[in-house]
Amino acid sequence: DTGVSQDPRHKITKRGQNVTFRCDPISEHNRLYWYRQTLGQGPEFLTYFQNEAQLEKSRLLSDRFSAERPKGSFSTLEIQRTEQGDSAMYLCASSQTGGRQETQYFGPGTRLLVL
Amino acid sequence: AQTVTQSQPEMSVQEAETVTLSCTYDTSESDYYLFWYKQPPSRQMILVIRQEAYKQQNATENRFSVNFQKAAKSFSLKISDSQLGDAAMYFCAYRIVTGNQFYFGTGTSLTVIP
Repeated sequence: DTGVSQDPRHKITKRGQNVTFRCDPISEHNRLYWYRQTLGQGPEFLTYFQNEAQLEKSRLLSDRFSAERPKGSFSTLEIQRTEQGDSAMYLCASSQTGGRQETQYFGPGTRLLVL
Repeated sequence: AQTVTQSQPEMSVQEAETVTLSCTYDTSESDYYLFWYKQPPSRQMILVIRQEAYKQQNATENRFSVNFQKAAKSFSLKISDSQLGDAAMYFCAYRIVTGNQFYFGTGTSLTVIP
C-alpha cells in the first residue's frame, strides 16, 4: 500500500508523559501536514512541511508540541508533558507541490487519549 | 478570516435515493479550491470531489456532484443513488490557491437507511 501511514494508531498515556507519533507520507509527496481532530469537529491545521522545512505553524501548536521532518520523508510529532486537552485524533496528510493541482491525502490518524 | 460552515450535523437518506449536503464558506479571496472529503467510521479520510473556484462548471465524480454558487459562497454535495457504503462523516474544505492551509467544516454525519 503506498498511501499515507501513521504509527501508532492508538496511544494511551498518563498526563505529564511525552508521546511521539510518526507519519510516513506518500513517497513522491514533498508536502506534509499535521492536523488535530477532536470529537465532532473537522480537522484543524497544526503545521506543515515542504521537504524538510517547516514553513507554517498554527497558534494551536503550543511550545509543548514539536514536529520534525529531518530528511524530507517521514515526520514526527512530539507532545511533551501531555495534558488531558491533548486527547484527540492526530492526522497526517501529504501532497505533491502546491498550486492548482494540490490535493491532500490523509493517513488513518493516531488517536491519543491522555488520562 | 476563512471559515467553512456545515449547518447539518446529521443527515439520513434512504438507500438508492438522493441526498444533498450543504456547505457555505466565507472568504475575501477570488481564487481558491473547495473539497468534499469522506471519513468512514474508524477509517481514513478520502477525497470525494474537488471544485476550482475559477470554473463555472460544477464538478462531478460518478454519483457525486456539487452545486457551486460562487456569489453565494455555497458548495453543496449531491449524492445520487445512495449506497450503504456512503455512510460516513462528510467534511467540506477550502484552500486558497496561493495558500497552504486547508480549512475544514465541522462535518455532516450521513446515515444510509437500507
